[in-house]
Amino acid sequence: DTAVSQTPKYLVTQMGNDKSIKCEQNLGHDTMYWYKQDSKKFLKIMFSYNNKELIINETVPNRFSPKSPDKAHLNLHINSLELGDSAVYFCASSGGQGSNQPQHFGDGTRLSIL
Amino acid sequence: AQSVSQHNHHVILSEAASLELGCNYSYGGTVNLFWYVQYPGQHLQLLLKYFSGDPLVKGIKGFEAEFIKSKFSFNLRKPSVQWSDTAEYFCAVIPAFSGGYNKLIFGAGTRLAVHP
Repeated sequence: DTAVSQTPKYLVTQMGNDKSIKCEQNLGHDTMYWYKQDSKKFLKIMFSYNNKELIINETVPNRFSPKSPDKAHLNLHINSLELGDSAVYFCASSGGQGSNQPQHFGDGTRLSIL
Repeated sequence: AQSVSQHNHHVILSEAASLELGCNYSYGGTVNLFWYVQYPGQHLQLLLKYFSGDPLVKGIKGFEAEFIKSKFSFNLRKPSVQWSDTAEYFCAVIPAFSGGYNKLIFGAGTRLAVHP
């Protein structure tokens, strides 16, 4: 049973397209996150939702729009894809707003822009 | 701004060698500290964490880390590495009183290669 699952695992598309990545967690967690890992493996947070409410929004282009239909899902929609969006995107979840709650990560979605 | 520094970007060891990966953070207040491991092509997995109490914490797979508050450090250690420890290791920090804004601040990672 996968705790945090993302789809698709791989996404290859052309510049200018719009794409979505889906994330679901079955851990009963309240908080979910999106992280971006660049080609140098550097990880940086993009967004966080707690109980469907946006609580972290880092400096991310507004072409990126997260959506949380319920607390078990956090999807990421990207408009007008650019070459620099190529990266691995990781979804994560944690059990609450306490800062000592470990975050559990999904397998990642490798996005490649042609 | 808060930051996390991992001094070694690439480490190459032979099996049975001892491992120590350095991690320093810049934040003046109380922090929660984590080490994550990412095996090739896989997601990040939590190795160990420190919140309070004994500064020497033990994690999975024989790893341990020591929090030294005066040095703002949280170095990861393993007495004897195995080939299966080949992976990318990430140190990360969350300020303890972050008001719910629990963004993990990651170091740049250390790539460990263990040769048989």
